[in-house]
Amino acid sequence: GAVVSQHPSWVICKSGTSVKIECRSLDFQATTMFWYRQFPKQSLMLMATSNEGSKATYEQGVEKDKFLINHASLTLSTLTVTSAHPEDSSFYICSASYRGHSYEQYFGPGTRLTVT
Amino acid sequence: DQQVKQNSPSLSVQEGRISILNCDYTNSMFDYFLWYKKYPAEGPTFLISISSIKDKNEDGRFTVFLNKSAKHLSLHIVPSQPGDSAVYFCAASANDYKLSFGAGTTVTVRA
Repeated sequence: GAVVSQHPSWVICKSGTSVKIECRSLDFQATTMFWYRQFPKQSLMLMATSNEGSKATYEQGVEKDKFLINHASLTLSTLTVTSAHPEDSSFYICSASYRGHSYEQYFGPGTRLTVT
Repeated sequence: DQQVKQNSPSLSVQEGRISILNCDYTNSMFDYFLWYKKYPAEGPTFLISISSIKDKNEDGRFTVFLNKSAKHLSLHIVPSQPGDSAVYFCAASANDYKLSFGAGTTVTVRA
């Protein structure tokens, strides 16, 4: 149980274009979803927290207009990287938690974004 | 400001021996601690957790110890197996369900 999927697993895009990454909880309803970014050999850095039906809460230093997050349902959240630049190249990981286990987050497999 | 620190970036251990991973934190508001295991190009998978009201939690080969006064926790894996080779992240939460992660420790189990 507690499976989270992400799509796509990897994407290459040109500078200036936008990319959408989907995060789905497959066998549970996620009250909260989180988006992280990981640079090589570094820790996961929380970008934003989203609850179904409400606006995402962004961490300090994360541009909300650049990283658009939508949590339309209890099983789906999307992250759109707008006007992507090479410095946005990274590994993006989502996680989800559900009632009764809110501290424990279940992670998706991640999306490798490369901006050329 | 890194509130969760894993000062050992790597650990090499022989198969069958004990692996001990350490984690220190600075935020006294943290009340829940977790360990995650991560393989390359995959998301972290939950391993074991501990509440601040406990000082030990055991699950099979994995045991987590918490020393609140020292703001220190450790993960013991015994016996270590080749499949345990991965990056291990320590994480902590302060009752707001957001997790702060350490930088990770890469464990290599030698045959």
